[in-house]
Amino acid sequence: NAGVTQTPKFQVLKTGQSMTLQCAQDMNHEYMSWYRQDPGMGLRLIHYSVGAGITDQGEVPNGYNVSRSTTEDFPLRLLSAAPSQTSVYFCASSYGTAFRHEQFFGPGTRLTVL
Amino acid sequence: AQTVTQSQPEMSVQEAETVTLSCTYDTSESDYYLFWYKQPPSRQMILVIRQEAYKQQNATENRFSVNFQKAAKSFSLKISDSQLGDAAMYFCAYRSSASEKLVFGKGTKLTVNP
Repeated sequence: NAGVTQTPKFQVLKTGQSMTLQCAQDMNHEYMSWYRQDPGMGLRLIHYSVGAGITDQGEVPNGYNVSRSTTEDFPLRLLSAAPSQTSVYFCASSYGTAFRHEQFFGPGTRLTVL
Repeated sequence: AQTVTQSQPEMSVQEAETVTLSCTYDTSESDYYLFWYKQPPSRQMILVIRQEAYKQQNATENRFSVNFQKAAKSFSLKISDSQLGDAAMYFCAYRSSASEKLVFGKGTKLTVNP
């Protein structure tokens, strides 16, 4: 099992550019989510999905779009990047709400918006 | 909304000594789960220990243990026999039993001195 994979690991964008951060998992997890980590802020939830075709907003969704067409993939789209979106982005997945099913995190993507 | 507070931005400990990291949380729910995650310089989020709110017994994982005080809404992490590899950011996190959404504290940076 590759677990949770994220691509790219690093990315530099100019203000106004668009891009998609990729996230994939091979554990047949129903739940997937995106967090951003900023210095001194911990991790904050951007969007999440409880299954294919179902997505919802987290704490800081503005400026981001998601979709979930398959169980395996959960891409995060930045339509018009802003410097405030400079951050480290983590994707996570789990089976569901059962306690014993811990969330697995990807290695993160460091995004810089100039 | 639930909140998680880690009041110690930085802590240091001598190798082989014991250190305790503090965490408090605010919730009106009675059924929830609490976690400590470790984030080394590699950025990977690693689950250290977890606690079910309905269990009075404190969780223990090898050198890591928690002091869970439900009435005080306190969830501290004790690291015994500290090792150089324990140096990392540590995040306290809360999850409702009805959701997979994690709410993180801002983190504590732990330094281990040889």
